[in-house]
Parts: sequence; structure tokens; C-alpha cells
Amino acid sequence: SQTIHQWPATLVQPVGSPLSLECTVEGTSNPNLYWYRQAAGRGLQLLFYSVGIGQISSEVPQNLSASRPQDRQFILSSKKLLLSDSGFYLCAWTGLGAGGYTFGSGTRLTVV
Amino acid sequence: SQQGEEDPQALSIQEGENATMNCSYKTSINNLQWYRQNSGRGLVHLILIRSNEREKHSGRLRVTLDTSKKSSSLLITASRAADTASYFCATDGFVGKLIFGQGTELSVKP
Repeated sequence: SQTIHQWPATLVQPVGSPLSLECTVEGTSNPNLYWYRQAAGRGLQLLFYSVGIGQISSEVPQNLSASRPQDRQFILSSKKLLLSDSGFYLCAWTGLGAGGYTFGSGTRLTVV
Repeated sequence: SQQGEEDPQALSIQEGENATMNCSYKTSINNLQWYRQNSGRGLVHLILIRSNEREKHSGRLRVTLDTSKKSSSLLITASRAADTASYFCATDGFVGKLIFGQGTELSVKP
């Protein structure tokens, strides 16, 4: 069966520090991968999506970047965090015949 | 950018009652999906309805889709306290990405 792992669960980082959030998928090949951000009490904002290794589409210009170094690995990064980067970050995947998206458990990032 | 907009933003009902949430969207879609999110957790996929379908059932869930009005509704029958969560609609517009609405916060009181 397919599983998605996202870590860490919580993170407190100072302004100006770098960020690296990792997401991996198991049990499937060539998944479409997504990074979403959720502000408190609001809907999800699509940040990046990838349909293959090295293929990244950015939805919102911002202080973040994404990379897909392996088929089932998706990384969200920042060189210098801003206070506005705080939020709940969710990784998701979908694929042929998957129906809907499967989400990871999320990372709550607080920039202080 | 937001595609789906849910209504109401918050809903409070008693256990055993039905809960209805509505979603409106703006552009053509391939399918529309509903998700549930418990506080502080990831989202769980509930049901997917394709653009050529009008109604779909899954257990106590009933989803309708009206593409002429660009709207969908999610009905939860005989609600339980464990149904307390936020519910989101999301649209897939043929380009391989899912766009979410702001969600409806459902509270079911025992």
C-alpha cells in the first residue's frame, strides 16, 4: 500500500534561518507531488507541484523553493525564512487511478 | 488562487442531525473532491465526483454536482460527534493540480 511521510511534525525557526522540509512517498512510482500551505483557520494554498524528477511548477512567487531529487522525494526549502512563512505545510501525492490526493500529516512551522 | 468557496463557513448541529455544506467554483472542472481535516492534522480524501456525474454516495456521505451552476454540496446524514472537523471542497481543472476552498468548520454536539 502507498504511504506518505512528512517530517518534522513541528519546527520553530528564527527569522533569517534556512528551511528544509522533506516528503517521501512509498509504494508507488512516478507520483504527482504537491506542497500546500495552510494559514490558521483558512484553506490550502498550492505552493509547488511536480509531475516528475526535476520538474517543478511554482504557483506563488515567494521566499520558498522546491526540489524533486528522486522520484518519490519532494523537498521544500528556503534560504532565509520570513515571519510570513509561518504556517502549516502539507505534502500530498496523487497518481494514475489514485482517485483523490493523499496528504501527509503536515509540518507546523513557526518563524520567530 | 482560490477556486472553491464553501458555505457556510461554520456549522453547529446536534448529533443525529444532517449537515449540508455547499461549494461554489468559478471555472470548468474535470472533477470536484471533498476532504476532511481534523484539527491540526492532514487532510483525508472523502469522495470524488466527476464533471459528468450528478450525485455520488459513500456511506453517510452524499455529494451532488451541478456544473451549470458551478456548485456542489456535501450532505452528512445522521451526524456523529466524531464528524466534527473542517470540510473542504477542491477542484481539479484538467491541469493536474487541486485548488481548495476556505472550508466549512463543522461542530457536532453530543
